Amino acid sequence: AQTVTQSQPEMSVQEAETVTLSCTYDTSENNYYLFWYKQPPSRQMILVIRQEAYKQQNATENRFSVNFQKAAKSFSLKISDSQLGDTAMYFCAFANIRDDKIIFGKGTRLHILP
Amino acid sequence: DVKVTQSSRYLVKRTGEKVFLECVQDMDHENMFWYRQDPGLGLRLIYFSYDVKMKEKGDIPEGYSVSREKKERFSLILESASTNQTSMYLCASRDTGTVETQYFGPGTRLLVL
Repeated sequence: AQTVTQSQPEMSVQEAETVTLSCTYDTSENNYYLFWYKQPPSRQMILVIRQEAYKQQNATENRFSVNFQKAAKSFSLKISDSQLGDTAMYFCAFANIRDDKIIFGKGTRLHILP
Repeated sequence: DVKVTQSSRYLVKRTGEKVFLECVQDMDHENMFWYRQDPGLGLRLIYFSYDVKMKEKGDIPEGYSVSREKKERFSLILESASTNQTSMYLCASRDTGTVETQYFGPGTRLLVL
């Protein structure tokens, strides 16, 4: 069975700093997607960034980038120049292309401090 | 933009009541999902549906049922609400074969007293 582990339940950083959220996963599959979702306080969950396992290049979306280490089954999210609006719960997630289900980690609550 | 809406943001019910949570999506997606979100547990899949009148159990279906009579609407039903069903419920939808683009509703926070 696939599992997703986020080892940091909660983190706080100062505005403008860079922060890295950790995620590891376990699977025997070769083709899959990895995601980071953001859930701001009292707001809708949105997709921040996704990575296809067959792509070696790390995905980047503006200030958000990932460090995808397939052999180590690690998928960390780096937020550069953090902003107050980045305060949210962040979920790492895995999807096996074969059966189409998304498995979520338990989340990391990130606080950006002014 | 895809829009997924849920009928209530907050709901308070009594133990034993029958509760309906409604979800509607406006993008003609085949696949719809119900999750519950609890602190320290993340999101857990309750039920999902790949088509009208079709349903599949997720990881924690006990105490819940679902209904999908129309493509755009997916209802979660608590036949007899219990206090351990107090939670945040999230609906999601996506097109077939597009696991990389799943859209979520705003959530319904349910309190069962």
